[in-house]
Amino acid sequence: KAGVTQTPRYLIKTRGQQVTLSCSPISGHRSVSWYQQTPGQGLQFLFEYFSETQRNKGNFPGRFSGRQFSNSRSEMNVSTLELGDSALYLCASRPQGGNEQFFGPGTRLTVL
Amino acid sequence: AQRVTQPEKLLSVFKGAPVELKCNYSYSGSPELFWYVQYSRQRLQLLLRHISRESIKGFTADLNKGETSFHLKKPFAQEEDSAMYYCALGATNKLIFGTGTLLAVQP
Repeated sequence: KAGVTQTPRYLIKTRGQQVTLSCSPISGHRSVSWYQQTPGQGLQFLFEYFSETQRNKGNFPGRFSGRQFSNSRSEMNVSTLELGDSALYLCASRPQGGNEQFFGPGTRLTVL
Repeated sequence: AQRVTQPEKLLSVFKGAPVELKCNYSYSGSPELFWYVQYSRQRLQLLLRHISRESIKGFTADLNKGETSFHLKKPFAQEEDSAMYYCALGATNKLIFGTGTLLAVQP
């Protein structure tokens, strides 16, 4: 099976702009999670979607949002970008009944 | 509180030496623990999960509920083991990660 894919791989934005990142899970996986990875904070959970419903949300401001489509593909959106939003954003999918997650290559977001 | 602690940011060993990457957790429930590895320029990938109790690439990890630990061990390090290692706790449909330990295996 193909692995988790994320697009785009790299993004450069300026403060105040908004951005949308996309994730396609492994075929058959209905759960998609998003994580933010930074040198200072490490890997932090953003949110998790299952069957188009957000089931869990991390401790991030409302500027961070997401959604999931009927084909399990997911997008996350960050509005009013701040310099501190520069990070690697990872998407992961999970098979039903398991806690192990399979990660995509990430989208490197740089906010100038 | 749900927390994973990896006390070492960097662990440097020589090839052939034993390796132990420490991980302690805090969780009020039955924990599910994982080790993930990130090689240079590669995606984060699952190395071990405590439920399977298997050995991958010579690495093993035993869950010690009394000491709330899940240390990763390998008897003889190889240069290709050099990578970032993350311990993670599975909780409520999410993973809680430690800060990671960079393992550097010197020739």
